[in-house]
Amino acid sequence: QVQLVQSGAEVKKPGASVKVSCKASGYTFTRYYMHWVRQAPGQGLEWMGIINPSDGSTSYSQKFQGRVTMTRDTSTNTVYMELSSLRSEDTAVYYCARPSGGYDYWGQGTLVTVSS
Amino acid sequence: EIVLTQSPGTLSLSPGERATLSCRASQSVSSNYLAWYQKKPGQAPRLLMYGASSRATGIPDRFSGSGSGTDFTLTISRLEPEDFAVYYCQQYGTSPNTFGGGTKVEIK
Repeated sequence: QVQLVQSGAEVKKPGASVKVSCKASGYTFTRYYMHWVRQAPGQGLEWMGIINPSDGSTSYSQKFQGRVTMTRDTSTNTVYMELSSLRSEDTAVYYCARPSGGYDYWGQGTLVTVSS
Repeated sequence: EIVLTQSPGTLSLSPGERATLSCRASQSVSSNYLAWYQKKPGQAPRLLMYGASSRATGIPDRFSGSGSGTDFTLTISRLEPEDFAVYYCQQYGTSPNTFGGGTKVEIK
């Protein structure tokens, strides 16, 4: 069965970077793009960007351009999302999500807390 | 980018009642690539509908979606206790993908 398993919660100081992983199993990793979506406390869902695991190409939301980097490791079927220059407003749950007519599979979410 | 506006912000209903949620796009959604998700606290979003009107795997038939172009609707025919949650629409036809602000369906 398809599973997306994300790394654990992180606490970071303002200005630091965080790298969240998402390990995929149960399907051919390179056949599906992977998206990243976040939800800040009390807020809605926000799309961050997309990576093609087949060739590593990416597309990012303008909001995060210059601060976000998405990569993949095909040897471990894992995608990564790194967000730099963290500020308090980046406190959120970050999700990876696999698209197939909407996002049919999601990771469990990773809480990133930015606090001094 | 395409802005999605959901209404109402909150819907107060009783179990067994019908819920009608609206999602309006600032421009036409390409190929009606419009999805609906259910979100509960502490859980990942759950895909309900895709392509505006296709039910995702395992979704009960009390959920239905309709609409095209810029106006879309999610209908829950008879609310069950587990349906009280926040619902989001999303367009995935044009980059960047965008989400609506959500409609909370709460128990009256």
